[in-house]
Amino acid sequence: DGGITQSPKYLFRKEGQNVTLSCEQNLNHDAMYWYRQDPGQGLRLIYYSQIVNDFQKGDIAEGYSVSREKKESFPLTVTSAQKNPTAFYLCASSSTDQVLSNQPQHFGDGTRLSIL
Amino acid sequence: GDSVTQMEGPVTLSEEAFLTINCTYTATGYPSLFWYVQYPGEGLQLLLKATKADDKGSNKGFEATYRKETTSFHLEKGSVQVSDSAVYFCALGGGNNQGGKLIFGQGTELSVKP
Repeated sequence: DGGITQSPKYLFRKEGQNVTLSCEQNLNHDAMYWYRQDPGQGLRLIYYSQIVNDFQKGDIAEGYSVSREKKESFPLTVTSAQKNPTAFYLCASSSTDQVLSNQPQHFGDGTRLSIL
Repeated sequence: GDSVTQMEGPVTLSEEAFLTINCTYTATGYPSLFWYVQYPGEGLQLLLKATKADDKGSNKGFEATYRKETTSFHLEKGSVQVSDSAVYFCALGGGNNQGGKLIFGQGTELSVKP
């Protein structure tokens, strides 16, 4: 079955530590996204990538970094500069149609990050 | 900029009650509108979508109509079940949002009691 796999499901970070969240998709989608979800605040876009080797900052990119070396993979690193990293992180992907831009996004099951 | 506003939750209903979750939007251009559902501990699943004015999206008994005149996309279901308990997100895409980005409302939690 095609889908998006996020790992790990739960992750703990120590002070001053960088951690990397994995996101892999086998849907052959060009575009991938990372969102942060906090209680009562909906989803906020961290980074997105429309094509391999290219990505753009979203609304809350500070303290995060990404890479897009392969079409299937879009890992997110939460750096020590992110002072409030505790949240639920969701990865998504979609096919892209630059003219219509009405393609829905498909989501993984998320990674819950907490501070030790 | 573009934005989405949903009614605040939590919404608590008895089984078989009628459900309405309000969603209004602000956008330039011609966006598409989506409803996503999130069950506890999971990611979001697309529930339904509408791509132009007067379109009606429907799935699993849920419906929403794209109303350009009132800039609304309210979610309705005639008879809810306990299994519908989840958080529902209204989202806007396309229009002036390039690259397939979506703008989400804050989510509305629905709790259905037996």
